[in-house]
Amino acid sequence: EVQVVESGGGLVQPGGSLRLSCAASGFTFSSHWMHWVRQAPGKGLVWVSRVNTDGRRTTYADSVEGRFTISRDNAKNTLFLQMNSLRAEDTAVYYCAREALLSRSIDLWGQGTLVTVSS
Amino acid sequence: DIQMTQSPSSLSASVGDRVTITCRASQTINIYLNWYQQKVGKAPNLLIYAASSLQSEVPSRFSGSGSGTDFTLTISSLQPEDFATYYCQQSYSTPLTFGGGTKVEIK
Repeated sequence: EVQVVESGGGLVQPGGSLRLSCAASGFTFSSHWMHWVRQAPGKGLVWVSRVNTDGRRTTYADSVEGRFTISRDNAKNTLFLQMNSLRAEDTAVYYCAREALLSRSIDLWGQGTLVTVSS
Repeated sequence: DIQMTQSPSSLSASVGDRVTITCRASQTINIYLNWYQQKVGKAPNLLIYAASSLQSEVPSRFSGSGSGTDFTLTISSLQPEDFATYYCQQSYSTPLTFGGGTKVEIK
């Protein structure tokens, strides 16, 4: 089955850190750019970060630049998001997402993992 | 950053109705416009990519049109399973940006 499955979410205090993982299966992970998209409770979708196929090119939303780091391990078919200096406004469901090969759309989404930043 | 403005933010419609949702970009994005459907508690699902191309396995009652700055998602005959929130998204440049969403509710 073609899927991506996130893990690593949870409750963390403001200023703390968390590392999200996304395990990909059923497709050639190393051929796809990958993204993280988040959604605060009751709110809309917000793009967080993107990484190219070999992991050397990364892009971030201004709101997380300098605090979050996206990376990937193609040998293990896994995407990561290291989140440092977390703030209350980072509370959201974080989705791992695959960029389609022939278009710039996001054609595969995980079920999401909830990150709650609160004291 | 490119701002994406969707309208309406919500609508009420009946099964069988034709529904149209619009999305406007703050600058030209060619046809780099995608539409997603999201049901409550679920991940988004790609419906339309490149403004008008139907994603595999998506019913043909969904269609998209537009280019430049103005785009439309049309549901030709609303079905019970179509009640959801719909988002447009530009993939012309980073940061990728989404519209605020259109919630389609039962009338």
